[in-house]
Amino acid sequence: RKEVEQDPGPFNVPEGATVAFNCTYSNSASQSFFWYRQDCRKEPKLLMSVYSSGNEDGRFTAQLNRASQYISLLIRDSKLSDSATYLCVVSKTSYDKVIFGPGTSLSVIP
Amino acid sequence: NAGVTQTPKFQVLKTGQSMTLQCAQDMNHNSMYWYRQDPGMGLRLIYYSASEGTTDKGEVPNGYNVSRLNKREFSLRLESAAPSQTSVYFCASSEARGSPSIPQHFGDGTRLSIL
Repeated sequence: RKEVEQDPGPFNVPEGATVAFNCTYSNSASQSFFWYRQDCRKEPKLLMSVYSSGNEDGRFTAQLNRASQYISLLIRDSKLSDSATYLCVVSKTSYDKVIFGPGTSLSVIP
Repeated sequence: NAGVTQTPKFQVLKTGQSMTLQCAQDMNHNSMYWYRQDPGMGLRLIYYSASEGTTDKGEVPNGYNVSRLNKREFSLRLESAAPSQTSVYFCASSEARGSPSIPQHFGDGTRLSIL
């Protein structure tokens, strides 16, 4: 089983829709969780951290479920500019154990 | 406001050739990283440098060497390129010195093809 797994998609949603992605991780000792976005043929960019209590940044909400070992990203009122690949990142305590998921592709359609 | 600058952006090599990918950051960050990204695999850490003068292996270091020349620059060298090293390479940096630490800023990437 891969350490971090994501549904590759693509998720094709109309503008204005709400869409959610999940990311599962295998190591229960994981400490920190993040979401990045990566536009086509561009570099990844840090989108948001995921806190135990959940956190919200505008239209984006990230949540952590430690019991089931997954994190989620919810995007409300989708915009065309949200089209990208969303990367889940999980880290343990040691420096070299930052694991990137393979990403979920989102296309927002007019 | 350059951030992380990588050169070259594209390169085609023949099997067995060598080359160095250059990376520089102007944010006075302590940590720098080299990742490779392959379809369906996610980014994988090749090497990292937690501070000037130190380097450590990541998940996939075989076939690569690195040099942290100074606080700004972190280069990646392929001594004898192999087709399996065809990939997109990203350099990244972060302010944090200790662990855990995640990359905060990435360069534009280098698309490398080995024939």
